[in-house]
Amino acid sequence: DTEVTQTPKHLVMGMTNKKSLKCEQHMGHRAMYWYKQKAKKPPELMFVYSYEKLSINESVPSRFSPECPNSSLLNLHLHALQPEDSALYLCASSQDLSHGRGFTDTQYFGPGTRLTVL
Amino acid sequence: QQQVKQSPQSLIVQKGGISIINCAYENTAFDYFPWYQQFPGKGPALLIAIRPDVSEKKEGRFTISFNKSAKQFSLHIMDSQPGDSATYFCAPPKGAGNKLTFGGGTRVLVKP
Repeated sequence: DTEVTQTPKHLVMGMTNKKSLKCEQHMGHRAMYWYKQKAKKPPELMFVYSYEKLSINESVPSRFSPECPNSSLLNLHLHALQPEDSALYLCASSQDLSHGRGFTDTQYFGPGTRLTVL
Repeated sequence: QQQVKQSPQSLIVQKGGISIINCAYENTAFDYFPWYQQFPGKGPALLIAIRPDVSEKKEGRFTISFNKSAKQFSLHIMDSQPGDSATYFCAPPKGAGNKLTFGGGTRVLVKP
């Protein structure tokens, strides 16, 4: 099973709301990622978790707060977002962070959550 | 600083034709060259990948050609089908964080 699941599929929220995105994988992967993708653009890396610890934060504003409760689950908590944060949020996982060597680096992406901030 | 330059931005090809997408890179530390395919409303999925010790890899109708000296690699889609209509990204990973260095993407439309 090479599936990464994400919920919800769509989310509409106001600028004062608090919401969370959820990502789950059962492939035994130890690296998990959050990406943001705007229309007609490539995905942009936001966060990387390795063995449930935050490994990389790509200078993401604090209104985005990631959490990795266990090796299979990754959350992204949202608070006080801006309309420009509207985008497709993608979760991905890989076997580990093997420094770009070999097929263990394959990242498996979920279908994404389409977020609209009003 | 754009480390991976992908071309063309968009491509229209007739069914049965050949689609060719190119990526030029600057970072010689890249050692794994994947192509991802993304359908509208879906996440990217690994399509095919190559290591720099080979110059070509073929999987079905999809072929990667790699030119190490020119620092370029390309994706060829033979006998293109309407179901191949998608956005394609080259995205070599780098660094300890396995960060994918995405090209700008190529939107491919295969007309029946």
